Amino acid sequence: DVKVTQSSRYLVKRTGEKVFLECVQDMDHENMFWYRQDPGLGLRLIYFSYDVKMKEKGDIPEGYSVSREKKERFSLILESASTNQTSMYLCASSLTQVGQPQHFGDGTRLSIL
Amino acid sequence: DQQVKQNSPSLSVQEGRISILNCDYTNSMFDYFLWYKKYPAEGPTFLISISSIKDKNEDGRFTVFLNKSAKHLSLHIVPSQPGDSAVYFCAARGTSGSRLTFGEGTQLTVNP
Repeated sequence: DVKVTQSSRYLVKRTGEKVFLECVQDMDHENMFWYRQDPGLGLRLIYFSYDVKMKEKGDIPEGYSVSREKKERFSLILESASTNQTSMYLCASSLTQVGQPQHFGDGTRLSIL
Repeated sequence: DQQVKQNSPSLSVQEGRISILNCDYTNSMFDYFLWYKKYPAEGPTFLISISSIKDKNEDGRFTVFLNKSAKHLSLHIVPSQPGDSAVYFCAARGTSGSRLTFGEGTQLTVNP
């Protein structure tokens, strides 16, 4: 069974801090994704990666960056946290083949004060 | 521009009856559609999918229907059970890459 693990379930940070959210998957998936979930807006893609050291912007990359130094790990970085980045953050991974679904972690609820 | 829309934020049905969740999309290049279920404090879990070359896919109590001409898909749950109460997201995949575009979600409540 695929396991996607996010390092924290809940996180509280202050405005202006640099915040790191970590995600690890154990199924050798090529693709990894970061989303945020907000009420009424569904899941919105922030960044994704098809391979080690590569990254692509999603629909809402502003204020975020990512790092993928190893295949199993994908980090989301909030360069200077702001209150509008308070949200549920979800990491996912998948194989590339058509029909393969994305598998999600349990999410990190991040509050920026 | 919301390419995948779920127009009903919530749906309430009686146990044993059918639940029908709807999803509309605008991008004709989407080639694969998926439904996810999400319980509070958990990540979304994959439920069922359908390729654009099919119009129906069934898995136990869950059936997904795709109407390409109307750019509409629906998820049928029969019979509905209280444990089905969750937020359901539809998602669509474009022809390049593995990224998905998600709808806003529909909160399904199944009453005993």
